[in-house]
Amino acid sequence: QKEVEQDPGPLSVPEGAIVSLNCTYSNSAFQYFMWYRQYSRKGPELLMYTYSSGNKEDGRFTAQVDKSSKYISLFIRDSQPSDSATYLCAMSAVKTSGSRLTFGEGTQLTVNP
Amino acid sequence: DADVTQTPRNRITKTGKRIMLECSQTKGHDRMYWYRQDPGLGLRLIYYSFDVKDINKGEISDGYSVSRQAQAKFSLSLESAIPNQTALYFCATRSLAGEQYFGPGTRLTVT
Repeated sequence: QKEVEQDPGPLSVPEGAIVSLNCTYSNSAFQYFMWYRQYSRKGPELLMYTYSSGNKEDGRFTAQVDKSSKYISLFIRDSQPSDSATYLCAMSAVKTSGSRLTFGEGTQLTVNP
Repeated sequence: DADVTQTPRNRITKTGKRIMLECSQTKGHDRMYWYRQDPGLGLRLIYYSFDVKDINKGEISDGYSVSRQAQAKFSLSLESAIPNQTALYFCATRSLAGEQYFGPGTRLTVT
């Protein structure tokens, strides 16, 4: 069983929809949670970075962490065609860069105009 | 200019050939990483380096080697390429705060 599970999709939504992307994990030591966005033929770019449980909002994006359920989510409000990309969740046990990140497989999202 | 650069961006090579992928960064980070990305498997760590004298194996290091020539340079070598090493390869750096920054990737095809 993988440490981090993420539905690969593909997920297709109309422009303006609310998108929910999710990951589950099995390692209770994970405390730092990240979401990366990867456009086709590009490297992943950091989108959101959260610690422990709770919500973090940045513009149209909200990251949510529920450590009790070992479940994290990324919500995209008023989705745009430019949001079409693969979204990867990542997590680590320790904040410092000495710890290794464990990535989900990525969810491919298409927002249709 | 990009903070993390990779060369080449695309490479086709034959089975048995030696190939080197290069990575340079201008972010001033000590931590550098090499990943490969495959459909259905996501990003998997090959090697990582905490500084010039500190090299560590990742989860899939067999068939690969690395060299950290300087703080800014970290290269990945395939000593004898095989077809199942066909993948997208990413170099990354990581800040002390834990944020990871990726290069644009190298698409490698081994025939």
